[in-house]
Amino acid sequence: KQEVTQIPAALSVPEGENLVLNCSFTDSAIYNLQWFRQDPGKGLTSLLLIQSSQREQTSGRLNASLDKSSGRSTLYIAASQPGDSATYLCAVFFGNEKLTFGTGTRLTIIP
Amino acid sequence: NAGVTQTPKFQVLKTGQSMTLQCAQDMNHEYMSWYRQDPGMGLRLIHYSVGAGITDQGEVPNGYNVSRSTTEDFPLRLLSAAPSQTSVYFCASRTEGETQYFGPGTRLLVL
Repeated sequence: KQEVTQIPAALSVPEGENLVLNCSFTDSAIYNLQWFRQDPGKGLTSLLLIQSSQREQTSGRLNASLDKSSGRSTLYIAASQPGDSATYLCAVFFGNEKLTFGTGTRLTIIP
Repeated sequence: NAGVTQTPKFQVLKTGQSMTLQCAQDMNHEYMSWYRQDPGMGLRLIHYSVGAGITDQGEVPNGYNVSRSTTEDFPLRLLSAAPSQTSVYFCASRTEGETQYFGPGTRLLVL
């Protein structure tokens, strides 16, 4: 079964620190991978999309990497801010049609 | 562009009632999907469509019907609501190989 795992389920860090969120997936033959942010009671906001042929994508303070051979992706957040507090979801297209989600990491930035 | 819109935002149903959750997108995306989000379960795919007139089942399709008569609209029908269908429902759309965009969600409570 194709699965996506995110560990830890929750993470708290002091403001200003750099941090890494982890995502692992069971099948290296992926189509692409997306990172999303979800605030409490809200919908999902796309942060970064990495195509299977890419190794990383950057947007502002965010950098996402992809290592298909090891089945891993990381989301790096630089200089964390309280506004970064949210749940971060990793999702993988194992084919072109169905997106499979991890259960997310709930991030709290402590002022 | 309004992006992906969903109505209603919140609905309370009694067991056995039927209803339709509406979803529309104005980005001319060929792919549309419905997910449900439950605590501890993450987002799970209910049904998806790769174009007008084409739909297919996802991971948890039982109790739900969909149709796609136009590119813009992808309604989700609950045939006979059950308490197990209490959840938050998200509609999403994308074009092939690109970012998936999500609507704001519909919170459904089945009593």
